[in-house]
Amino acid sequence: EIVLTQSPATLSLSPGEGAALSCRASQSVGNSLAWYQQKRGQAPRLLIYDASNRAPGIPARFSGSGSGTDFTLTISSLEPEDFAVYYCQQRSHWWTFGQGTKVEIK
Amino acid sequence: EVQLVESGGGLVQPGGSLRLSCAASGFTVVSNYMSWVRQTPEKGLQWVSVIYSGGSPLYADSVKGRFTLSRDNSQNTMYLQMNSLRIDDTAVYYCTKDWHVWGKGTTVTVSS
Repeated sequence: EIVLTQSPATLSLSPGEGAALSCRASQSVGNSLAWYQQKRGQAPRLLIYDASNRAPGIPARFSGSGSGTDFTLTISSLEPEDFAVYYCQQRSHWWTFGQGTKVEIK
Repeated sequence: EVQLVESGGGLVQPGGSLRLSCAASGFTVVSNYMSWVRQTPEKGLQWVSVIYSGGSPLYADSVKGRFTLSRDNSQNTMYLQMNSLRIDDTAVYYCTKDWHVWGKGTTVTVSS
């Protein structure tokens, strides 16, 4: 099973600041990586697929990069609604998710 | 509008059965790539079962032989038949289309 390790576990930031979330895979997943945002009591919402493609309706402040084993989700300037938990998911060999990074208000 | 609505969750004893439903609107279930995913605070998000438009369902090892995914074209609904339920099957279960569209989830609690 491919294990995804997300870091940091928690990111404390202020609105307007930028955020960089990391996802590392235990073996290469090519570009078969997605990012999701989840708010309390809601389903995950797809942000990025195939490492760098924004899903329909996702603001341009969200961007994804990386390939192979190292991936980054970047939020250029945090809006109040961006404080949530973010998960990565690999789709290269079966499907697994990272344990999440919580972006909280500082 | 593309939408998914899960139902059928509830409280069941270990060894019992439940059938989850995922009613779709705005697209045809049998023609799309669909999946079931579950989430717990302890284990996070886990894929449960996946089906491509023209293929047979795939199952995570943890549910293989106990869970069955099916689709009904007339009802435009996907189902997850869960048998021999265990305490560690307790979770919120989501259905998804292409991993892009998710339902709100239904809660399954397995407890005596």
